[in-house]
Amino acid sequence: QVQLVQSGAEVKKPGASVRFSCKASGYILSNYVMHWVRQAPGQRLEWMGWINAGNGDTKYSQNFQRRVTITRDTSANTAYMELNSLTSEDTAVYYCTRDDYWGQGTLVTVSS
Amino acid sequence: DIVLTQTPLSLSVTPGQPASISCKSSQSLLYSNGKTYLYWYLQKPGQPPQLLIYEVFNRFSGVPDRFSGSGSGTDFTLKISRVEAEDVGIYYCMQSIQFRTFGQGTRVDIK
Repeated sequence: QVQLVQSGAEVKKPGASVRFSCKASGYILSNYVMHWVRQAPGQRLEWMGWINAGNGDTKYSQNFQRRVTITRDTSANTAYMELNSLTSEDTAVYYCTRDDYWGQGTLVTVSS
Repeated sequence: DIVLTQTPLSLSVTPGQPASISCKSSQSLLYSNGKTYLYWYLQKPGQPPQLLIYEVFNRFSGVPDRFSGSGSGTDFTLKISRVEAEDVGIYYCMQSIQFRTFGQGTRVDIK
């Protein structure tokens, strides 16, 4: 069965970077697009970007364009997202999703 | 950017009674291939969203048939024919014709 397993919770200081991983099982990563979506406390879901895991093409939301990088390692069947220049407003749960299946989410807390 | 507006924002339902949620899009979600890219998700407390309906009216694998989706163009509806206790959570619509955007969510609880 399809599963997306994400990396564990992180606590970061303002200005730092964070890297998320999303390991896919039950299917071949490169056959699908992988999205990253975040959910700040009490807020709606917010799309951050996607990667075509087959050819590596990426597209980012304008809200995160300058701070986010999405990559993948097809040999590890894993997608990654890096978010830079963190502020307290980046405190949120971050999800990877194939639209039909979602990872369990990674909580990032940004605090000095 | 496409904006999705859901109504109502909250709903309290007696078990066994129906419920309905509306999602209105700022642009048509009908693509040139004839498909309409509107999804419905349920996010239960402490869990990631789970797919209920894709492309307006198609139930995802394992989704009970009490859930149904309808609509076209810019106006869409999710209906639950008989609400059960396990249906509590926040329901989101999402469009996938232009990247991804989500509605603000509709919280459903049991009376």
